[in-house]
Amino acid sequence: EPEVTQTPSHQVTQMGQEVILRCVPISNHLYFYWYRQILGQKVEFLVSFYNNEISEKSEIFDDQFSVERPDGSNFTLKIRSTKLEDSAMYFCASSGDRASYEQYFGPGTRLTVT
Amino acid sequence: TQLLEQSPQFLSIQEGENLTVYCNSSSVFSSLQWYRQEPGEGPVLLVTVVTGGEVKKLKRLTFQFGDARKDSSLHITAAQPGDTGLYLCAGWRDYKLSFGAGTTVTVRA
Repeated sequence: EPEVTQTPSHQVTQMGQEVILRCVPISNHLYFYWYRQILGQKVEFLVSFYNNEISEKSEIFDDQFSVERPDGSNFTLKIRSTKLEDSAMYFCASSGDRASYEQYFGPGTRLTVT
Repeated sequence: TQLLEQSPQFLSIQEGENLTVYCNSSSVFSSLQWYRQEPGEGPVLLVTVVTGGEVKKLKRLTFQFGDARKDSSLHITAAQPGDTGLYLCAGWRDYKLSFGAGTTVTVRA
């Protein structure tokens, strides 16, 4: 069964460093998303991406964040200068059809900023 | 901000009992999804409900979408220890999903 994969599973970085989180969405999907979940809190929408551009973004997704689809399979989230409060689980999701509303999530990357 | 309230926050029952989890909002959603999340893993989609009043069954799980598309419920019949987990509802509106805080279900053997 096709699935969304994410690497790395755990990333530890120092405050102020740049990190890139990687995702491989389900191959025939067209819509891609990033979410984050701070420990003990709800899953929060960050950004959606379609046709090589951002479709929607939340207020969390400020200038420190960027997304890219560098090739036909990867979808990345970059945080330019990490802060302690960026520590969270980051989930990538994809969906085949926006109208289907159904998103399939990856296993997540746990980002720890020290 | 669309706020999805889930209740109860925690639910602990004995194997074989029934349980219901509720998801309520003051906002109307185009659809509502239910996910299950294990510790340290991503949410796994269980079902999507789209039409007001819709009822979907997945084995012992029954999902209902309110007539006004503002609320939903998840009912588990004859719960088993394997049903233990965090259940999340998520509403689709304005091309994004908004999640509830989740209900942690524990089924004791």
